Amino acid sequence: DAGVTQSPTHLIKTRGQQVTLRCSPKSGHDTVSWYQQALGQGPQFIFQYYEEEERQRGNFPDRFSGHQFPNYSSELNVNALLLGDSALYLCASSFLKTSGANVLTFGAGSRLTVL
Amino acid sequence: GQQVMQIPQYQHVQEGEDFTTYCNSSTTLSNIQWYKQRPGGHPVFLIQLVKSGEVKKQKRLTFQFGEAKKNSSLHITATQTTDVGTYFCAGQGNKLVFGAGTILRVKS
Repeated sequence: DAGVTQSPTHLIKTRGQQVTLRCSPKSGHDTVSWYQQALGQGPQFIFQYYEEEERQRGNFPDRFSGHQFPNYSSELNVNALLLGDSALYLCASSFLKTSGANVLTFGAGSRLTVL
Repeated sequence: GQQVMQIPQYQHVQEGEDFTTYCNSSTTLSNIQWYKQRPGGHPVFLIQLVKSGEVKKQKRLTFQFGEAKKNSSLHITATQTTDVGTYFCAGQGNKLVFGAGTILRVKS
């Protein structure tokens, strides 16, 4: 039973560039949430996707966008990268449809460095 | 907006000593969850508390949810080196909001 898989694991970009991060949820999960975790801080909620729609959004600018596909996998896109976007980006899946419980299974994350 | 505060930020204990981390929300929660993140790893779900005043135990770990459903605590009895990591609470209001975490270091 595969857990949450994310790609790439590490990447380096320069300011102004764009990045796409990918996530495959745990088998049986229907919901994907994205979090940004800066060094030494807790995960900050970016947004959550369910049934291919953005269900909730945190306090992140429109430069952060996402998508969920029919197979429940998801992408996080960040445009016009800033130095402050350097962080670990965590994808987490959950099963909302029947349980209603937002208990998260996290992937290992994508470490983004912006130079 | 909804905020979750967690204290202490950092605790260094001798192996065998007890450890407690506290979590406070600015709003009433529908549930609270606890996660553990090992150094270099990702958060792993430990437990969810739903009912007012609920207490749950997992071996040496005891989790409590306050009567007002705005605060919670995690207590570890007789810490071991395997307990090392960062412990996060996450409060479910309109969104699931994580605290900043408490870093636990255990000296053997």
